[in-house]
Amino acid sequence: DAGITQSPRHKVTETGTPVTLRCHQTENHRYMYWYRQDPGHGLRLIHYSYGVKDTDKGEVSDGYSVSRSKTEDFLLTLESATSSQTSVYFCAIRETSGNNEQFFGPGTRLTVL
Amino acid sequence: GQSLEQPSEVTAVEGAIVQINCTYQTSGFYGLSWYQQHDGGAPTFLSYNALDGLEETGRFSSFLSRSDSYGYLLLQELQMKDSASYFCAVVQGGKLIFGQGTELSVKP
Repeated sequence: DAGITQSPRHKVTETGTPVTLRCHQTENHRYMYWYRQDPGHGLRLIHYSYGVKDTDKGEVSDGYSVSRSKTEDFLLTLESATSSQTSVYFCAIRETSGNNEQFFGPGTRLTVL
Repeated sequence: GQSLEQPSEVTAVEGAIVQINCTYQTSGFYGLSWYQQHDGGAPTFLSYNALDGLEETGRFSSFLSRSDSYGYLLLQELQMKDSASYFCAVVQGGKLIFGQGTELSVKP
């Protein structure tokens, strides 16, 4: 199994507070991704990274920012959480070569009250 | 825009064969992938088709027709443990664009 962890696994917060989710990998893969999953929407890409300090927006990036200062860590920040950001967040990694397979972390369940 | 269409639910019996279809409209298409997800757990990779045709991996096969913007996942000899959600995803550069998923229920 790919070495990918997410923290925290569960979080409850209040509207307007900042929240940071962490994704950590031990595979030294270049590409990292953040998705959110909501009923009826499948998985939607928030942001992704193709190297240290190299990031780009996905389909649903409004209200989110990311940072990648080290290969192994990709942080997702909600500057001011809103109830619409209540979701399950998945991180994924992908190696450069191969069949575009992405390995997903276990997910973080975030509730914004 | 980009869109993928797949059925929301499919029900089949143990031992049967089931086909989950996926149609897509997108630019910058590299290939079509399929992922399985059990009860909100982490999605796991099943297959990837970059070229037209059938790819077989054990009981699972995946098909792609680029000219028809269409693909399917075929599951044979269904088992109870195959009950899960199945997502098709367009590979677009280094990104995946997912469909909304098909919930497969396997009955005894």
